[in-house]
Amino acid sequence: GQNIDQPTEMTATEGAIVQINCTYQTSGFNGLFWYQQHAGEAPTFLSYNVLDGLEEKGRFSSFLSRSKGYSYLLLKELQMKDSASYLCAAMDSNYQLIWGAGTKLIIKP
Amino acid sequence: DTAVSQTPKYLVTQMGNDKSIKCEQNLGHDTMYWYKQDSKKFLKIMFSYNNKELIINETVPNRFSPTSPAKAHFNLHIKSLELGDSAVYFCASSQGTGGANVLTFGAGSRLTVL
Repeated sequence: GQNIDQPTEMTATEGAIVQINCTYQTSGFNGLFWYQQHAGEAPTFLSYNVLDGLEEKGRFSSFLSRSKGYSYLLLKELQMKDSASYLCAAMDSNYQLIWGAGTKLIIKP
Repeated sequence: DTAVSQTPKYLVTQMGNDKSIKCEQNLGHDTMYWYKQDSKKFLKIMFSYNNKELIINETVPNRFSPTSPAKAHFNLHIKSLELGDSAVYFCASSQGTGGANVLTFGAGSRLTVL
């Protein structure tokens, strides 16, 4: 079956760096997405990877290894506003998104 | 200007009732979706609609039905509501359906069935 695994919850300190991991199993693969969702709000797009390697976008970077079925989201210089859930989603061969349950990131001062 | 707007934001109703959630987008996107997010936070695709083609997730009960009364409008109708229907329902849109298909979500409609 198709599956996404990511940690349920992580805690980090303001100003630090945190890495949120995601492993996926899909029928075919057409890319890996990360979305951010603040409590009570809509998910918003952060990044898309389809080729192996690291994509950097400001304080956020996303990495993909297709051979390992693995991705991570790296958040640097953490700010309190980064407290949110981070959703990993893989696109299968039919261009359908398979979503993880999200990782709730708690930032402490 | 809200890109994807859905109403109502909150909906509290009794079991057995019928309810609808409206959604429209002003992004010029040609594909719209309905997602259900349950208490465990999984996002589950319910329907997608593109160029008059409706794709239905086969796991969705037929009490749920979408309509598109006009371009860029995609409403969700639910009949005979059940307790298990309580969730947040998100409307979303995208430009196309393949590849780097970035979704823009509405703010969500929280449905509570009593």
